[in-house]
Amino acid sequence: GENVEQHPSTLSVQEGDSAVIKCTYSDSASNYFPWYKQELGKGPQLIIDIRSNVGEKKDQRIAVTLNKTAKHFSLHITETQPEDSAVYFCAASPNTGNQFYFGTGTSLTVIP
Amino acid sequence: GAVVSQHPSRVICKSGTSVKIECRSLDFQATTMFWYRQFPKQSLMLMATSNEGSKATYEQGVEKDKFLINHASLTLSTLTVTSAHPEDSSFYICSAERDSGANVLTFGAGSRLTVL
Repeated sequence: GENVEQHPSTLSVQEGDSAVIKCTYSDSASNYFPWYKQELGKGPQLIIDIRSNVGEKKDQRIAVTLNKTAKHFSLHITETQPEDSAVYFCAASPNTGNQFYFGTGTSLTVIP
Repeated sequence: GAVVSQHPSRVICKSGTSVKIECRSLDFQATTMFWYRQFPKQSLMLMATSNEGSKATYEQGVEKDKFLINHASLTLSTLTVTSAHPEDSSFYICSAERDSGANVLTFGAGSRLTVL
C-alpha cells in the first residue's frame, strides 16, 4: 500500500518568512495530492491540491510543487502570518477508489 | 462550496453507554463518506468507508460491532460508538467526497468524545 512521509514534524518561522513542508510517497499509482490545514479542535480544511499532470500550482501565498519521478511534493507558504499557525497534513490518493493516505502532520508556528 | 456538518462537536458520556455522531453533507449528495479517528498530535486514521445503501467497509483492526456505521441517505452517515470505554475517547472526524470520482474530500469539524 501507499506510505506517505512528512517532514518536518514541527516548524517555527518568523512572521514574514517562508515555510516549506515536504512529503514523499511510495505508490506510483497516486496521482492526487491535497494539503490540509487543521486548526486546534477543528476538522482539516483543504487549502490547495495538485494532480499529477502538473508540476506546480499556486494560490496567492500558497504553492505546491510535485516531482512525480522522485515521488515527492512540497507545500510552500510565503510571507507567513500568525494565522497560518496550524497543523498541516499532506495526502496522496490514487485515481481509482477513494483511498487517501495522510502524512503525519507538521505543526507550524509563525512567531509574530 | 461543499459543506459537511458534524454533530455533536463535543460529547461526554459514561462508560458503557453508546454515543451517536452524525455527519451531514449540507449542499451536496455524498455517495461515500469516511470516518477517521485522530489521537492528540497524530495524523488521521481511517476507520471505515461508509457507502450509501450498503454496508460500510472497515479498515483492518477496527471493530465493526464496536463502531457501527449507517449511511441511510445521500446526505447522512452516522457513527455509533457502542458500549464506550475510556480508551474510545478521541477526536472523530468525517469527510465526504463531493463529486464521485473527483477525489476531493470535504471534512467535518470533528467530534470530541470523552468517555468517563
